[in-house]
Amino acid sequence: SQQGEEDPQALSIQEGENATMNCSYKTSINNLQWYRQNSGRGLVHLILIRSNEREKHSGRLRVTLDTSKKSSSLLITASRAADTASYFCATFPSSGNTPLVFGKGTRLSVIA
Amino acid sequence: DGGITQSPKYLFRKEGQNVTLSCEQNLNHDAMYWYRQDPGQGLRLIYYSQIVNDFQKGDIAEGYSVSREKKESFPLTVTSAQKNPTAFYLCASRPGVTGELFFGEGSRLTVL
Repeated sequence: SQQGEEDPQALSIQEGENATMNCSYKTSINNLQWYRQNSGRGLVHLILIRSNEREKHSGRLRVTLDTSKKSSSLLITASRAADTASYFCATFPSSGNTPLVFGKGTRLSVIA
Repeated sequence: DGGITQSPKYLFRKEGQNVTLSCEQNLNHDAMYWYRQDPGQGLRLIYYSQIVNDFQKGDIAEGYSVSREKKESFPLTVTSAQKNPTAFYLCASRPGVTGELFFGEGSRLTVL
């Protein structure tokens, strides 16, 4: 069952612009995580935000979490061509010791 | 270097044949996971194991089997009962209960 739904499905921007991706989920969570996947490769963990946190930063990444709306956003500032990839949110439900549930991802293209 | 190794990277199979995908980790992680990814889609959980000699079915376990005889190894067998096995298969591991996943580079299976 896929809990997270990313929006938009695809995003194309110019180098230097900011990219914002959104994720909505359905049930209560322990934490929410964002991953990146280059074409044909495995996923790489970017950032984890806990349910009691509202915002977190890591380099050019900023993640927000609104548990009342069951949504999160990932902002990549000053994007580069190398940021071109698919980005997935994944939620860890608070209901128990269950695996992460992934969304379908946002495909980001950064044009040089 | 610590990490997760999946092999083979590419695999071709004739209909009716079983095939086993290897996943080995030297991160000393207890939990290991198998996901399936279809083009343009998110990750769907096939099987997971949180401890040696124990594993649980995920959302799409039919037509697949696993074993967890050693902490480092979690092989996945795609059986002839799997109706549409052509996909990208990702193995992952996790050190704790709620933390991030570490992924291998994936195995792409094509049924001819």
